[in-house]
Amino acid sequence: DAKTTQPPSMDCAEGRAANLPCNHSTISGNEYVYWYRQIHSQGPQYIIHGLKNNETNEMASLIITEDRKSSTLILPHATLRDTAVYYCIVRAIIQGAQKLVFGQGTRLTINP
Amino acid sequence: KAGVTQTPRYLIKTRGQQVTLSCSPISGHRSVSWYQQTPGQGLQFLFEYFSETQRNKGNFPGRFSGRQFSNSRSEMNVSTLELGDSALYLCASSFGTGLNEQFFGPGTRLTVL
Repeated sequence: DAKTTQPPSMDCAEGRAANLPCNHSTISGNEYVYWYRQIHSQGPQYIIHGLKNNETNEMASLIITEDRKSSTLILPHATLRDTAVYYCIVRAIIQGAQKLVFGQGTRLTINP
Repeated sequence: KAGVTQTPRYLIKTRGQQVTLSCSPISGHRSVSWYQQTPGQGLQFLFEYFSETQRNKGNFPGRFSGRQFSNSRSEMNVSTLELGDSALYLCASSFGTGLNEQFFGPGTRLTVL
């Protein structure tokens, strides 16, 4: 699985868009980009994933650059409950294999 | 639909003892993965089971083992506990194929004294 690089921490004002970057310059063609977050004392929570097209769901949007070497997770209207550690993960989809390799993530703090 | 449940939620053991942790996946999910989370190493993959077979294994010593039952429930066992085994142990379940998202349980916090 390709390695990812994320800033260790970020701050964002409540109500504003939070843009979390992730570099994955060694990503290969069959690897997807996944985002999870972990709120203090809870298990990680799936947010979104994508291959090369931009994706949007009820939680967030995922923007992947054309060369796929980086991506940005966007929380459009951040709330205090979005304060968490956000993990960007790159992995190949192998039938039946569910291994996730977590990096150190970005600690996002939403300020009132 | 009930989420992933893990028991016990908290556990205190002493060095040299062994421990068994349990995970019940979401109904219908056949894949169960285990992770260890420590402040120093972060989240690390332990192993994954699918239809009672271990499909994938992380870089942990043989003291860490697991199994999955026919109802998809899974257990992990750690023998001869060491102080460094103190961690949050997380279980995640998914429907089965590689593209599916994993749903994590609340974890079992193990403290080894």
